[in-house]
Amino acid sequence: QKEVEQNSGPLSVPEGAIASLNCTYSDRGSQSFFWYRQYSGKSPELIMFIYSNGDKEDGRFTAQLNKASQYVSLLIRDSQPSDSATYLCAVRSYGGSQGNLIFGKGTKLSVKP
Amino acid sequence: ETGVTQSPTHLIKTRGQQVTLRCSSQSGHNTVSWYQQALGQGPQFIFQYYREEENGRGNFPPRFSGLQFPNYSSELNVNALELDDSALYLCASSLPPSGSGANVLTFGAGSRLTVL
Repeated sequence: QKEVEQNSGPLSVPEGAIASLNCTYSDRGSQSFFWYRQYSGKSPELIMFIYSNGDKEDGRFTAQLNKASQYVSLLIRDSQPSDSATYLCAVRSYGGSQGNLIFGKGTKLSVKP
Repeated sequence: ETGVTQSPTHLIKTRGQQVTLRCSSQSGHNTVSWYQQALGQGPQFIFQYYREEENGRGNFPPRFSGLQFPNYSSELNVNALELDDSALYLCASSLPPSGSGANVLTFGAGSRLTVL
């Protein structure tokens, strides 16, 4: 059973701080890794994807991947109240159909003004 | 460029009934996937359609079925509804399969199904 694990939170950070969201996955054959943001009652929207070990930065967001440790994280710098949402980690396994992402349950982030 | 659109947005059914949910993919996307998201859970993959054929399926029973049409739009059909089928049903579209594995999914707003 391929699994993706995330702390459900809530993770509470003050405005302007760095929020660190973590995710582990069980399948060593996993190929691509995605972070989605989901506001309450809305659909997931893509923040970033990463498929090589190391860091990938996009504005205030940095995704980090360590395949040896089967660990992927998302850092949000200068957190804003508008970042308050549930963050979903998703993984695509090698050879899996491209639409088949395995999602974690999500981490709820709350940014306090 | 239009995004992924789904209909209906909300619906209520009773146990044993059948439901059809519809999805129009984003312009240029010919691959459609369906997901079920129960309250407090992450989305779970139901199946994917490419070139009007199912080419990937998650751990869902046969009473979950689908179609894809020549214009790439898609339907999800669920027969013999059960209470546990109450969830947000998400459609996602993507570009044609590539070897990079990095194709991203764009989700629609979802159809919220309540089974009483």
